[in-house]
Amino acid sequence: DQQVKQNSPSLSVQEGRISILNCDYTNSMFDYFLWYKKYPAEGPTFLISISSIKDKNEDGRFTVFLNKSAKHLTLHIVPSQPGDSAVYFCAAQRKNYGGSQGNLIFGKGTKLSVKP
Amino acid sequence: DAGVIQSPRHEVTEMGQEVTLRCKPISGHDYLFWYRQTMMRGLELLIYFNNNVPIDDSGMPEDRFSAKMPNASFSTLKIQPSEPRDSAVYFCASSLRAGGPSGELFFGEGSRLTVL
Repeated sequence: DQQVKQNSPSLSVQEGRISILNCDYTNSMFDYFLWYKKYPAEGPTFLISISSIKDKNEDGRFTVFLNKSAKHLTLHIVPSQPGDSAVYFCAAQRKNYGGSQGNLIFGKGTKLSVKP
Repeated sequence: DAGVIQSPRHEVTEMGQEVTLRCKPISGHDYLFWYRQTMMRGLELLIYFNNNVPIDDSGMPEDRFSAKMPNASFSTLKIQPSEPRDSAVYFCASSLRAGGPSGELFFGEGSRLTVL
């Protein structure tokens, strides 16, 4: 059973417009969420994160929103650029009982295409 | 500053052969992770090490898979004997901490394995 779900395998957006990528999770114990970006033939790279005590985190053109009651995250990219075309992975993490951080659980990714 | 280095980048082998994938983490990172990416299952954690000690290998699919970390700068993932269903991209990642802020994973470029 998938604990982190990205239900849209792909998304196409026009350059300059907003890209909105969605992520749902099922485990209410998750307390830290991350987005990774992956270009073809490269490894994923960290993009932005948010702690469960916040509902928004912004870094330049990238903003992540967290709705804990809905167990839902969104990543906004504004304005979208052709170089943003990549696969975006949502990931979630929870604390282990001993207090250390647990493993990252990844979604299957959403392929974003930004058209010029 | 070198990132995570994986080798080989591509490996094509025949069923039954032994495969060894190699990883050099970022210097100073105490955590090393092996992930596998497939279309069906996305990115899944196989095993991770802390200070060269395996902490969680519950993601290792079966006894044909083994991983070692003989020192802080080198790890191997071995599949023996290999099967066609092992075909995937295998990523190694390292991090400073187990997770949370400053615990982001740094991924290598991956090793694409094809078992015929």
